[in-house]
Amino acid sequence: NAGVTQTPKFQVLKTGQSMTLQCAQDMNHEYMSWYRQDPGMGLRLIHYSVGAGITDQGEVPNGYNVSRSTTEDFPLRLLSAAPSQTSVYFCASSHKLGQGLMKGDTQYFGPGTRLTVL
Amino acid sequence: AQSVTQLDSHVSVSEGTPVLLRCNYSSSYSPSLFWYVQHPNKGLQLLLKYTSAATLVKGINGFEAEFKKSETSFHLTKPSAHMSDAAEYFCVVRGYSSASKIIFGSGTRLSIRP
Repeated sequence: NAGVTQTPKFQVLKTGQSMTLQCAQDMNHEYMSWYRQDPGMGLRLIHYSVGAGITDQGEVPNGYNVSRSTTEDFPLRLLSAAPSQTSVYFCASSHKLGQGLMKGDTQYFGPGTRLTVL
Repeated sequence: AQSVTQLDSHVSVSEGTPVLLRCNYSSSYSPSLFWYVQHPNKGLQLLLKYTSAATLVKGINGFEAEFKKSETSFHLTKPSAHMSDAAEYFCVVRGYSSASKIIFGSGTRLSIRP
């Protein structure tokens, strides 16, 4: 298993440009999420999904769009990049919560994408 | 809705002394709680997790945490710090329902003095 993969690893954008951060997992996880990490602020949840066709907002959704057309992929789109979106972005996946063994299942994280917006 | 508060942004201890990283949570129902560690310029690694079994949870590298419902706390401890423990530590809460968000604390940076 490749686990959770993210591309690209590094990206530099100019203000106003758009781009898509890719995330894929091969563990058949229902739950996928995107976080951004900024110094002193931990990881903040941007968007998450509990299954194909279902997405919801996290703590800091403004300026980002997501879609979940397949179980494996969960891309994050920046429609018009701003310097405030300079950050490290992590994608994560886990099984959806349920009873028994699946309760509280662990998240698996991708290696991160370092994005700079000039 | 759930939330988590890490009470110290930075903790510094001497090598060989105990470590205590504090975490308080808020959740409507019985949550799942996790501690992750992130070494400089590295990804996130799971240290331990609580999922309503034993309240004292043992993790990797000698770390453990105790779930205290009455205090809504999930503090991380280690009896004797090692230089390799220097890292950023995150407390994480996940709610009960299948649609619950997973929320990170703001992190505690642990420094180890020789």
